[in-house]
Amino acid sequence: EDQVTQSPEALRLQEGESSSLNCSYTVSGLRGLFWYRQDPGKGPEFLFTLYSAGEEKEKERLKATLTKKESFLHITAPKPEDSATYLCAVTYSGGSNYKLTFGKGTLLTVNP
Amino acid sequence: DAGITQSPRYKITETGRQVTLMCHQTWSHSYMFWYRQDLGHGLRLIYYSAAADITDKGEVPDGYVVSRSKTENFPLTLESATRSQTSVYFCASSDPTTTTDTQYFGPGTRLTVL
Repeated sequence: EDQVTQSPEALRLQEGESSSLNCSYTVSGLRGLFWYRQDPGKGPEFLFTLYSAGEEKEKERLKATLTKKESFLHITAPKPEDSATYLCAVTYSGGSNYKLTFGKGTLLTVNP
Repeated sequence: DAGITQSPRYKITETGRQVTLMCHQTWSHSYMFWYRQDLGHGLRLIYYSAAADITDKGEVPDGYVVSRSKTENFPLTLESATRSQTSVYFCASSDPTTTTDTQYFGPGTRLTVL
């Protein structure tokens, strides 16, 4: 069964303390891997899409990377406003019609 | 640029009642999706639509009905609400003709079934 697993479930950092979130997937034939940010009471907000191993994308303090089996979301010198739940999702070429399969998310808390 | 909107944002109903959640997007995206989000399960796909009058089941379709008569609207109906349908519901849309198939989400509807 195709699965998406995110770790850790929760991460608490001090402001400025860099770290990484992990998303591993077992889908056959990855089409795309997506990272979203979700704030409490809001819908997921799109961050990045990665399509091939070795690809990297950056946005402010966030950098997403992709290998054949997992993706990392690196957070450099985080600030309290980076606190949110980060969701990983995949689409796969064996699936149909662009359906996203989500992981359960990582709750990131950045303390000032 | 309104993007994608959902209504109502909050709804309380009783078991057995019919409830319709509305989703409207202004981007003319061909694909639209309904998800539910529950603790311990993450986001799960209920139904999706590739175009007006074309819909298909997702992972958890039982108890839900969708229709899509216009490209911009994708209502989700719970024909006879049950307590297990208490959840947060998100609508999303995407345009597969672009170089990416990114889905963009609405703000969600929090539904409570008593």
